[in-house]
This record gives sequence, structure tokens and C-alpha cells, in this order.
Amino acid sequence: DAKTTQPNSMESNEEEPVHLPCNHSTISGTDYIHWYRQLPSQGPEYVIHGLTSNVNNRMASLAIAEDRKSSTLILHRATLRDAAVYYCILQTRNSGGSNYKLTFGKGTLLTVNP
Amino acid sequence: KAGVTQTPRYLIKTRGQQVTLSCSPISGHRSVSWYQQTPGQGLQFLFEYFSETQRNKGNFPGRFSGRQFSNSRSEMNVSTLELGDSALYLCASSLVSGTNKFFGPGTRLTVL
Repeated sequence: DAKTTQPNSMESNEEEPVHLPCNHSTISGTDYIHWYRQLPSQGPEYVIHGLTSNVNNRMASLAIAEDRKSSTLILHRATLRDAAVYYCILQTRNSGGSNYKLTFGKGTLLTVNP
Repeated sequence: KAGVTQTPRYLIKTRGQQVTLSCSPISGHRSVSWYQQTPGQGLQFLFEYFSETQRNKGNFPGRFSGRQFSNSRSEMNVSTLELGDSALYLCASSLVSGTNKFFGPGTRLTVL
């Protein structure tokens, strides 16, 4: 399975931007890059995903390197509610080509200081 | 729209017993996948169902099984429970396989 590498933990101050890096050097051409986050005592929550181009939504931005071997999740203004474990995941397609699975790594624990 | 619901939320079993967990996906979602989360191994994919058929399977022993019903509700079963099966079991639904997933709150299973 294609794997991702993330820092174990990062710290940020409230209302400052946060850049969460992810390396995925073994990514294949059909793998999508997904980001989920898990708040304490909750199931994971979808944040954003992309294939090749940078993506923006109301929660965050995703910057994907040109060679696709790394990506960065950007939270433009961190709030205390953004404190969570952030998972960078490759969505791989199975051999049949029609079904996908998410392979989670260890994730990055983001601490937001007031 | 109601989210993904999982029942029961908490369960205590003893070694050797079996357990069945239930997941009701978001209305209209046809894909249901299951994950096991433990402090040591993190989130691990168990299997995914779509239209009552298992489409993907993770690296878990045959003691772990699942099924999906015609209304997209899904169950997973673990037989001959072991202490190491103690975990948070998460269910996620999506419209189809490959679209973003919505996770339920999980079922916390403790095996004594």
C-alpha cells in the first residue's frame, strides 16, 4: 500500500496560519490525496482532497507539489476547534479499477495555543 | 440529514465470545466501510461494502467479517474474540466508493 509520512506533532497559535506537511513519495498516478481530521472522542472528519491541482474549500487549502510526492494542508487561521489529529491519506484504487480504500497513517497531532 | 449511526456505542465482551456491530449510513449512501482504531496501530481498514457486495478487504483474519443489507445498513462480526480486538470500530459511509467519507462516532469494544 502507498504510504504517507507526517510529523508526529505540530503546534500553532490561534489565528495564525498552519501548514501541515505530508510526504507520499510512492504515490501512483491514480492516487488521490485526502486529508481527514479527528477531534478528540469523535470519528474522523473529511477536510479536503485533490489529485494534481491545488484545492480550496471552506475548511482549508491543499497545495500539491508538481511531482505529487508531497502535499501541504493549509489552515488559514487556526482556531482552538482545529486542535485534532490530521491524517494525510492516499486513496488507492483496487486492481479492478472501480473501488477505493483509504490507508491511514499515524497522523499529525495539531495543538493550537490561545 | 442524519449522520452515520453506530450501535451499540460501548460493548464489553470476554475472550472467545463473538460480537456484532451495526452501522446505518447516511440516507442515499451506498458504500459502507469499516475501520479499527487502536492506540498502537492507529486506523486500519477492515473492509468496504457497496450494493451488498464486499469490494475491498484489509489485512485482518477471517474472524472479522461483515455484510451489507439492501437498505445499505451494514454489520460487522468478530468471532472468537481476543484481547487484542479491544478497539474503537468506526464505520464510514459515502455515496459511492471513492467519494469523501462520513464517519460515525464508533463503537468502543472492550474484550476482557
